[in-house]
Amino acid sequence: GAVVSQHPSRVICKSGTSVKIECRSLDFQATTMFWYRQFPKQSLMLMATSNEGSKATYEQGVEKDKFLINHASLTLSTLTVTSAHPEDSSFYICSALGPGRDEKLFFGSGTQLSVL
Amino acid sequence: DAKTTQPPSMDCAEGRAANLPCNHSTISGNEYVYWYRQIHSQGPQYIIHGLKNNETNEMASLIITEDRKSSTLILPHATLRDTAVYYCIVRAINYGQNFVFGPGTRLSVLP
Repeated sequence: GAVVSQHPSRVICKSGTSVKIECRSLDFQATTMFWYRQFPKQSLMLMATSNEGSKATYEQGVEKDKFLINHASLTLSTLTVTSAHPEDSSFYICSALGPGRDEKLFFGSGTQLSVL
Repeated sequence: DAKTTQPPSMDCAEGRAANLPCNHSTISGNEYVYWYRQIHSQGPQYIIHGLKNNETNEMASLIITEDRKSSTLILPHATLRDTAVYYCIVRAINYGQNFVFGPGTRLSVLP
């Protein structure tokens, strides 16, 4: 199946700093990628939809100036958490629609962000 | 909001079949049923999907009722590595719909 690579897997940062998370589709081109966040013992919550070459579409309640998404190529989308605070600590997961007509979603391995 | 309801948790003995139910009584005619699972601290993994016919692959079988209002994911011989949260999602293809995850079912495979 299609492979989505996400880095870093874990990051610890100080409050006020910015953190960039990369999501790459390794063996296919992804025109659409999705970013989710997940708090402990909760389900995945969609943050935004990223389309190659255009602005991301954010879900209600997600601050676009805080969570910057760039999808500059067909194989790379990045999420930057700007001026991170402890409440931004969470598990962030990217995903991409795979090739083929049946639109299966393939996920990265996730990034655990801890803001001190 | 998720369009599906699933039991919050289930247990299954190792080596036995695990049958995970999902209700999707408001499913539309063009919506598929997808199943994903998430092992602790990992990204979700695709399992199977279908429209109205039963489907089988190397991981599982998907049984969809004739009225399409419910479905069952079957893991024929559960192993300890199948312990995970299983998510049932309904979504139309080619309409730009998002994948909306509900709480899922936490399956515990017991030795």
